[in-house]
Amino acid sequence: AQKVTQAQTEISVVEKEDVTLDCVYETRDTTYYLFWYKQPPSGELVFLIRRNSFDEQNEISGRYSWNFQKSTSSFNFTITASQVVDSAVYFCALSEARTADRGSTLGRLYFGRGTQLTVWP
Amino acid sequence: DSGVTQTPKHLITATGQRVTLRCSPRSGDLSVYWYQQSLDQGLQFLIQYYNGEERAKGNILERFSAQQFPDLHSELNLSSLELGDSALYFCASSRDGGVTDTQYFGPGTRLTVL
Repeated sequence: AQKVTQAQTEISVVEKEDVTLDCVYETRDTTYYLFWYKQPPSGELVFLIRRNSFDEQNEISGRYSWNFQKSTSSFNFTITASQVVDSAVYFCALSEARTADRGSTLGRLYFGRGTQLTVWP
Repeated sequence: DSGVTQTPKHLITATGQRVTLRCSPRSGDLSVYWYQQSLDQGLQFLIQYYNGEERAKGNILERFSAQQFPDLHSELNLSSLELGDSALYFCASSRDGGVTDTQYFGPGTRLTVL
């Protein structure tokens, strides 16, 4: 089963519009972390934010904001006043606090399929 | 710049061949992860090392192997290459490899198998 679902494959907006990227996750763990990464056309993966399962406060960083709702298992990402440079693929990811055989926690990331955001001038 | 380096940036090879991808983690990071990004599978976790030891395994094929050396750099070896192995391979590093860590990704190695 897909642990992270990004239902929007592609979104196109015009510059200065606000846009929200949806992310729904699935886990049985009570302790987990959620992430957003950006992959611009150059290909690298850029870390944007990390949120733990015990902190449901929304976060704002400049034009970026994140809305975490445990009740709906969602961690949505909003870009306000979008710009052409925001054009990229955005990935939502989940990390679970499973214990490995040797007693260590695992940090592997489960990624969604990504949302291609295109911002037109 | 995340501080994670990967070489080479591009690799073109033929089916049946063997290649080695190299990764140097950020200064101070002890854990290295390998991920594969393909159109079919998306971003998939392959394997994780912590301070030279294998910590977790994901969807890694038996034809693939990895190791982390005493200086903490890591290599991913891909052998008996098939067309379907063409993908972008990412290395990521984190401080201690736990769930509380943030993984920082390198620029990736684009592998093309002809």
